[in-house]
Amino acid sequence: QSVLTQPPSVSEAPRQRVTISCSGSSSNIGNNAVNWYQQLPGKAPKLLIYYNSLLPSGVSDRFSGSKSGTSASLAISGLQAEDEAHYYCAAWDNSLSGVVFGGGTKLTVL
Amino acid sequence: EVYLVESGGGLVQPGGSLRLSCAASGFTISGYWMSWVRQAPGKGLEWVASIKQDGSEKYYVDSVKGRLTISRDNAENSLFLQMNSLRGEDTAVYYCAGQVGPTGWFDPWGQGTLVTVSS
Repeated sequence: QSVLTQPPSVSEAPRQRVTISCSGSSSNIGNNAVNWYQQLPGKAPKLLIYYNSLLPSGVSDRFSGSKSGTSASLAISGLQAEDEAHYYCAAWDNSLSGVVFGGGTKLTVL
Repeated sequence: EVYLVESGGGLVQPGGSLRLSCAASGFTISGYWMSWVRQAPGKGLEWVASIKQDGSEKYYVDSVKGRLTISRDNAENSLFLQMNSLRGEDTAVYYCAGQVGPTGWFDPWGQGTLVTVSS
């Protein structure tokens, strides 16, 4: 059972938009920034969004992040086949004094 | 080009020990917190431990406290994880990653090294 809650899977057609939610509490998302990671099949994770909504250099602007209260979300627009991956949210948890991850969401592009 | 290359993984019996290394190139670890994140087979990501630039602060997930020890050698541009009293639940791919502060994001990431704890 992960501290941050994500849907196990989402699916959408190419060129459409999908959102992935990440729910936490006041000890993590409510008071700390959320970061998102993309893990392509068989690959190491890669930073996708940092500090809630910022894009690292080289990441497509089809990806966007937001945070409100104790929840965050990742949106992907103009879905492409290469977006098929697992997506993880993460945040610092003040009660645990450590970084906690969501359980991950598998995105399928239909 | 930035590379973090982990090594030292392998098969070890329960109760045994292993030392993981992470060598950085194109990336100077002395400017960053460094961390280990693991992923059990078919499972999600789990943060394991983080260490401050000068080694003066360390954080661990509860499940590894007293058994796993993170350390670094800035002169060698390397990160380490000493793993003792290993258990089956420690079986995972272990990734090293740079971190912007203990509460910050992980970037870059290594390719990972597999640790299998089994008799």
